[in-house]
Amino acid sequence: GDSVTQMEGPVTLSEEAFLTINCTYTATGYPSLFWYVQYPGEGLQLLLKATKADDKGSNKGFEATYRKETTSFHLEKGSVQVSDSAVYFCALRSVQGAQKLVFGQGTRLTINP
Amino acid sequence: NAGVTQTPKFQVLKTGQSMTLQCAQDMNHNSMYWYRQDPGMGLRLIYYSASEGTTDKGEVPNGYNVSRLNKREFSLRLESAAPSQTSVYFCASSEPGLAGMNEQFFGPGTRLTVL
Repeated sequence: GDSVTQMEGPVTLSEEAFLTINCTYTATGYPSLFWYVQYPGEGLQLLLKATKADDKGSNKGFEATYRKETTSFHLEKGSVQVSDSAVYFCALRSVQGAQKLVFGQGTRLTINP
Repeated sequence: NAGVTQTPKFQVLKTGQSMTLQCAQDMNHNSMYWYRQDPGMGLRLIYYSASEGTTDKGEVPNGYNVSRLNKREFSLRLESAAPSQTSVYFCASSEPGLAGMNEQFFGPGTRLTVL
């Protein structure tokens, strides 16, 4: 079945550091890919998305590129802030799976001042 | 717009007790979902409702039942709670559209502890 694998956390960085959170997936066909963010005590919010190969999703300084050849959708940000501290989830929506999302296990990110 | 609302925010149950988690959305979405979030396991789909009047099992449906009361409301019931159901429960909604374009909107969650 479809699956998503994220890099193990937690990840701790200093403010203004470069961030990469790895995400790889297994799915048939061309799934849509998403990054969701969960701030402390809140539900998940969509951060960015990409629906076809080579698409780049971007929002709030975060970027991720849909790489079909490596089945990856890594999240990057050039200069993180303390306010970026949250849990980040990579997810896919299969073309065969109605509207259901399959989530990775989440990566907790902490940014120190 | 309130978006997706869930009640209660917190609940403690004893093994064997029953309870219903409530979810409502005001975005006129057709599809609604229930997930559980456990440490190190991401979110797992319990049940979903593609449209009013339909419900389907997700990845982890055992021990749960759902009711799509109307287009706005989708409840999750635990008939006989077990400690393994200790988790954070999230409701979400979306509007089916072009493939891959429909974002799911999440509620704030219900933190459930079963003793």
